[in-house]
Amino acid sequence: KAGVTQTPRYLIKTRGQQVTLSCSPISGHRSVSWYQQTPGQGLQFLFEYFSETQRNKGNFPGRFSGRQFSNSRSEMNVSTLELGDSALYLCASSGRGKALDTQYFGPGTRLTVL
Amino acid sequence: AQTVTQSQPEMSVQEAETVTLSCTYDTSESDYYLFWYKQPPSRQMILVIRQEAYKQQNATENRFSVNFQKAAKSFSLKISDSQLGDAAMYFCAYRSNSGGGADGLTFGKGTHLIIQP
Repeated sequence: KAGVTQTPRYLIKTRGQQVTLSCSPISGHRSVSWYQQTPGQGLQFLFEYFSETQRNKGNFPGRFSGRQFSNSRSEMNVSTLELGDSALYLCASSGRGKALDTQYFGPGTRLTVL
Repeated sequence: AQTVTQSQPEMSVQEAETVTLSCTYDTSESDYYLFWYKQPPSRQMILVIRQEAYKQQNATENRFSVNFQKAAKSFSLKISDSQLGDAAMYFCAYRSNSGGGADGLTFGKGTHLIIQP
C-alpha cells in the first residue's frame, strides 16, 4: 500500500508571497492532519480534516488555511509568508475505526522563506 | 492543555545494548493514546509503537517495548539489541480520544539517540 505523499518536497519563496502544499493520504484513509516542525518550536499541530470538514485547528494565525477534497487529498495554504514560516510541513493520515487514532506521516515539504 | 516532556535531549548507547528513553505527560483525561515516533536524518516520521491508555498491558513491537505507568503519567520506550539503524530523533506523542479523535498529536521536544558502533 502506498504511503502518504507530499508535493512539492522543497520550496523556496520570498516574504509576502503565498504557497500551497499538497498531501495525498494512504488509500482508504479519510483523515488528514498537518503539522509544522521548526528547530525552535518543535512539532506543532496546524489542523485536521475529516471527510472534507475541518475538525480541529491548532494555535496558528489565519494566514494558515487548508481544505480537503472528496478524494481525501488535502492542501494547505499559507498567505503573506513571513520568515518565521520557514519550516518542515508534515502531513499525516489516519484510517477508519480503531486505526483512526494512529497517524502515518508523509516525507514532508521543506519550505524556505527568503 | 496537554503537555509532553522528554527530559533527555540526547542519549548514547553501544550497538547491541539496551537503552530506555523517558517521556512524561500531563493530562486530565482518561481516554487517550500514546505514541513513539522515530525521525531519522531523512526527516520521515516513522511510527515505532502505539499504546492505548485503557490497556494496562504494555505494547511491544519486536525490539521495541514501552513501560506505561498511567498513574504516574509516564511512557518510556525501551530499545533492545540496539542497531545502527535505530539512530534517530525519537518523539513521544499524545493524542486525546475525548473529541472523537479530532485532536492532533501533542509532541515532546524529542530525544536524539546516538548508536556507538
